[in-house]
Amino acid sequence: GNSVTQMEGPVTLSEEAFLTINCTYTATGYPSLFWYVQYPGEGLQLLLKATKADDKGSNKGFEATYRKETTSFHLEKGSVQVSDSAVYFCALRVQYFGNEKLTFGTGTRLTIIP
Amino acid sequence: EPEVTQTPSHQVTQMGQEVILRCVPISNHLYFYWYRQILGQKVEFLVSFYNNEISEKSEIFDDQFSVERPDGSNFTLKIRSTKLEDSAMYFCASRDDKVEAFFGQGTRLTVV
Repeated sequence: GNSVTQMEGPVTLSEEAFLTINCTYTATGYPSLFWYVQYPGEGLQLLLKATKADDKGSNKGFEATYRKETTSFHLEKGSVQVSDSAVYFCALRVQYFGNEKLTFGTGTRLTIIP
Repeated sequence: EPEVTQTPSHQVTQMGQEVILRCVPISNHLYFYWYRQILGQKVEFLVSFYNNEISEKSEIFDDQFSVERPDGSNFTLKIRSTKLEDSAMYFCASRDDKVEAFFGQGTRLTVV
């Protein structure tokens, strides 16, 4: 079956620190990979995506590269801000008939302190 | 920017009561989903819906659950007889032919 394993949280960093949140996956077929973010009190927002091997998704200073050889999609940001405090979810979707569900990781809570 | 809208934002109900959670997906989307997130846990898939029928459902989606698209715009999740363990945040999502799904803000269901 499909599964996503995420770095255990919570993660606490100082402002301007470098961020990495690890994500590895197991999938039957060729998945699309996603990072979703959940800010306090809000719903899930798509942060970035990659649909094939070696693609790099990027948004708001965050990046993640689809690594098929290591089945990974680690999230990185060079300099975090207090406003990045949120829960980050790695997810995958394997397409076969067009209506496939997302499989999520457990989420990583990130707190940035000034 | 188009968005998925969910109502209510918070629902408190007594155990055994029926609840209906409502969603208005993005208007030109074709695929619809319900997910739930029990407090502090991962987001879990419940059901997917396409062409006016369920295309996939999880083990969680038992006979107590049903979905409907009654009028071509709303997409509802009904829980017939709520249990304490149904307390969770319920997210609706929709998607067109592209890759990504867009999520609503969620309905927090509290069963007491």
